[in-house]
Amino acid sequence: GESVGLHLPTLSVQEGDNSIINCAYSNSASDYFIWYKQESGKGPQFIIDIRSNMDKRQGQRVTVLLNKTVKHLSLQIAATQPGDSAVYFCAETSGSRLTFGEGTQLTVNP
Amino acid sequence: DTAVSQTPKYLVTQMGNDKSIKCEQNLGHDTMYWYKQDSKKFLKIMFSYNNKELIINETVPNRFSPKSPDKAHLNLHINSLELGDSAVYFCASSRDRGSEAFFGQGTRLTVV
Repeated sequence: GESVGLHLPTLSVQEGDNSIINCAYSNSASDYFIWYKQESGKGPQFIIDIRSNMDKRQGQRVTVLLNKTVKHLSLQIAATQPGDSAVYFCAETSGSRLTFGEGTQLTVNP
Repeated sequence: DTAVSQTPKYLVTQMGNDKSIKCEQNLGHDTMYWYKQDSKKFLKIMFSYNNKELIINETVPNRFSPKSPDKAHLNLHINSLELGDSAVYFCASSRDRGSEAFFGQGTRLTVV
């Protein structure tokens, strides 16, 4: 399943499928990007980050892709599990400011 | 030990009251933040302090006043609370400006 830009705040996938969450950012001077996961009733938690001198970074089951040309960031989650259900945020840093994008609610159906 | 802790977790109060939310981090970080999360989950930065000095002050009503007695603490005092102040407020800290931020569990403020 895949979310489309900032205008589709929800994404529903089947357990075991891959998920793609997209994010567009506006500040071309941003040099550091972070994906956060927020579970219900909790604060945002770091998932993975990427610097502007990279275009891909992989973690455990997660991959972040950065396309600076079109100012687009995506988070790919492999083999999505029920525990992945949460709101996902991209965040960009320019200087001392960490700015969050609109979140995407990911729901994983068993 | 909780890295970033804020109290209280829930706060219900009447319009016009004054209330404070406390935040402490034990990570040794230099930078601390307050964010407001609205009902649509949008996270908006309110304030940022670096080594007890205010470095970011977004367009926030003067009724909101942050106070940093030392670099491990950043408290938020709100005067004359209004219905529109109802939200979840998150404290966060980072090693330095623009680094990965660690968030507290949030304070759900409800103004009635």
